[in-house]
Amino acid sequence: AQKITQTQPGMFVQEKEAVTLDCTYDTSDPSYGLFWYKQPSSGEMIFLIYQGSYDQQNATEGRYSLNFQKARKSANLVISASQLGDSAMYFCAMREAPLNYGGATNKLIFGTGTLLAVQP
Amino acid sequence: DVKVTQSSRYLVKRTGEKVFLECVQDMDHENMFWYRQDPGLGLRLIYFSYDVKMKEKGDIPEGYSVSREKKERFSLILESASTNQTSMYLCASSYRQGGNQPQHFGDGTRLSIL
Repeated sequence: AQKITQTQPGMFVQEKEAVTLDCTYDTSDPSYGLFWYKQPSSGEMIFLIYQGSYDQQNATEGRYSLNFQKARKSANLVISASQLGDSAMYFCAMREAPLNYGGATNKLIFGTGTLLAVQP
Repeated sequence: DVKVTQSSRYLVKRTGEKVFLECVQDMDHENMFWYRQDPGLGLRLIYFSYDVKMKEKGDIPEGYSVSREKKERFSLILESASTNQTSMYLCASSYRQGGNQPQHFGDGTRLSIL
């Protein structure tokens, strides 16, 4: 069965420092996708970054980058130059169905999240 | 920008009531999803729909039903609300094709069953 594991329930980081949020996954499908979302205290889920299993390069989006290590089945989120507004819950998720299902589901499996607190 | 709108941010209901949570998206997405979020458990899928009038059970469908009569609207129904259904409910939508398409979420509904 597919599974996402986030082992860090909470983390502190100093403002302007970089931080890595861990995510490991388990799947037997050769084709899969990994997503990171941010959830501030207000509750909305904000999509941050995506990595496909066949992507040759690690994904980057501004201050967010994904350290994708396929052999280790890990997809850690790296936030550079942390800001106070980065304080939030962060979720790692994996697309469940392989693409040859015609994209009919695109269901996601979520980890339990990591609460990040940025300190001034 | 994609807009997913949930009808209420906060809702308080009594046990045994029939509760309707509404979700509307404006991006012509085929897929729509309902999750509940509980501390320490992450997001768990209740139901999803990949087309009008089509629905499939997620991981925790018991005590819930859904309705999708129009493409833009996906309703979650608590047939007879119970206190263990007190939770945060999140609606999401996405395109059907393209595995790199993210799900876009509404702001969530904090539901309390008393």
